[in-house]
Amino acid sequence: GENVEQHPSTLSVQEGDSAVIKCTYSDSASNYFPWYKQELGKRPQLIIDIRSNVGEKKDQRIAVTLNKTAKHFSLHITETQPEDSAVYFCAASNPQRRDKIIFGKGTRLHILP
Amino acid sequence: NAGVTQTPKFQVLKTGQSMTLQCAQDMNHNSMYWYRQDPGMGLRLIYYSASEGTTDKGEVPNGYNVSRLNKREFSLRLESAAPSQTSVYFCASSDLLASGELFFGEGSRLTVL
Repeated sequence: GENVEQHPSTLSVQEGDSAVIKCTYSDSASNYFPWYKQELGKRPQLIIDIRSNVGEKKDQRIAVTLNKTAKHFSLHITETQPEDSAVYFCAASNPQRRDKIIFGKGTRLHILP
Repeated sequence: NAGVTQTPKFQVLKTGQSMTLQCAQDMNHNSMYWYRQDPGMGLRLIYYSASEGTTDKGEVPNGYNVSRLNKREFSLRLESAAPSQTSVYFCASSDLLASGELFFGEGSRLTVL
């Protein structure tokens, strides 16, 4: 089955700097790679996703890159702001198989003033 | 739209007691999921239902049972609760073929004494 590894588990960056979170996956059939943000005491919510037919996707200050050959994908947050402080989860799946959706263990991002 | 609704939000049980967590979605999604969230362990899949009438084990199914009552509802039952089942439980739903995005409920915090 799918296995998703996420690093680092904790990340602290100065406000205004960039943050990068990396994930690797094991199942070469996975073709959908979402990122979820979970603020303290709240439910996880999708912030960006990428499918295997593209290598990069951007949405304002966040971007995701995918390297299918190496089976890894990354979340990039630029010009970090205090509201970016949260736990971020990556996941990998193949929606067409209607299979389980497996998450990484999460990264707690702290934005330092 | 309410989205995904879970009940109860909080519950305290004694070891050996049983209980059922209820989940309902009003988005006409085919797929539903139960995850548990523990510190440092991320979101671990307990059971999922790819479509009405089917259920499958996830990463950590032991000690749990599920019922996909109809397209809207997916319940999680603890037959004999153990302290190791103290956790925050999230129900989620998805229309996999449309987007793959998971929509989460607010979570249920369960404490087993």
